Amino acid sequence: AQSVTQPDIHITVSEGASLELRCNYSYGATPYLFWYVQSPGQGLQLLLKYFSGDTLVQGIKGFEAEFKRSQSSFNLRKPSVHWSDAAEYFCVVMEYGNKLVFGAGTILRVKS
Amino acid sequence: ETGVTQSPTHLIKTRGQQVTLRCSSQSGHNTVSWYQQALGQGPQFIFQYYREEENGRGNFPPRFSGLQFPNYSSELNVNALELDDSALYLCASSLGRGGTRDTQYFGPGTRLTVL
Repeated sequence: AQSVTQPDIHITVSEGASLELRCNYSYGATPYLFWYVQSPGQGLQLLLKYFSGDTLVQGIKGFEAEFKRSQSSFNLRKPSVHWSDAAEYFCVVMEYGNKLVFGAGTILRVKS
Repeated sequence: ETGVTQSPTHLIKTRGQQVTLRCSSQSGHNTVSWYQQALGQGPQFIFQYYREEENGRGNFPPRFSGLQFPNYSSELNVNALELDDSALYLCASSLGRGGTRDTQYFGPGTRLTVL
C-alpha cells in the first residue's frame, strides 16, 4: 500500500523565519503529490501540486515544494512565515483511481 | 463558480442511530470522494462516486454507504453508529473520468459526534 510519512508532528518557527516541512512517500509509479493546509475546524485548502515536469512547484501564499525522486521526498518550503500560516499541513499522494493517501500532518505554530 | 458545500456543519447522534451527510460538488465536477478525519489524524478515504456509480472504496464496513445524484451532489449514510464514528467527514469533488487523477477540492466538512 502507498504511504506518506511526515516525520515532524509539531514545528514552531518565529514569524519572518524560513520554513521547511518534510514529506516522504512510498509509491511504485510516478507519484501525483499535493500539499493541503487545514486551519482549526476547517476543511482542506490546496496549496500546490506536482503531476510532472519541473520538480520545483510554486503554490499559493508564497509556498513552494520540491520533488526529489531519488529521495522519495516532496518537502514544502516558505522563505518567510507569517502568523496567519499557523495551521496543520498535510502531504498527500494520489493513488491510481483518484484516491488520496494522507500523511499524519504537521502542526505549524508561529511565534511572534 | 461555487465551491464544495456540505451540510450540516455539526451533528450529534447517539450510538446505534443512523445519519445522512450531504455534499454539493463544485460546479462542473462529476466525481465525489468522501473522507473521514478522526481527531488528530489525517483524512482516510471512504469511497468515491463517479457519475452515480461507486468507483472505489477504502477500508470501511458496509454500514458506510453513499449515493451520487444526477446533479452530482452526494450523500454519505452511516448506519448503526458507533462511538468511533465521531470524526470530521470531508467531501471532495473533482473533474474526472473515474480512473484519471485530478485535483480534489474539499468542502468545510461535517463534524459528527456520537454519544
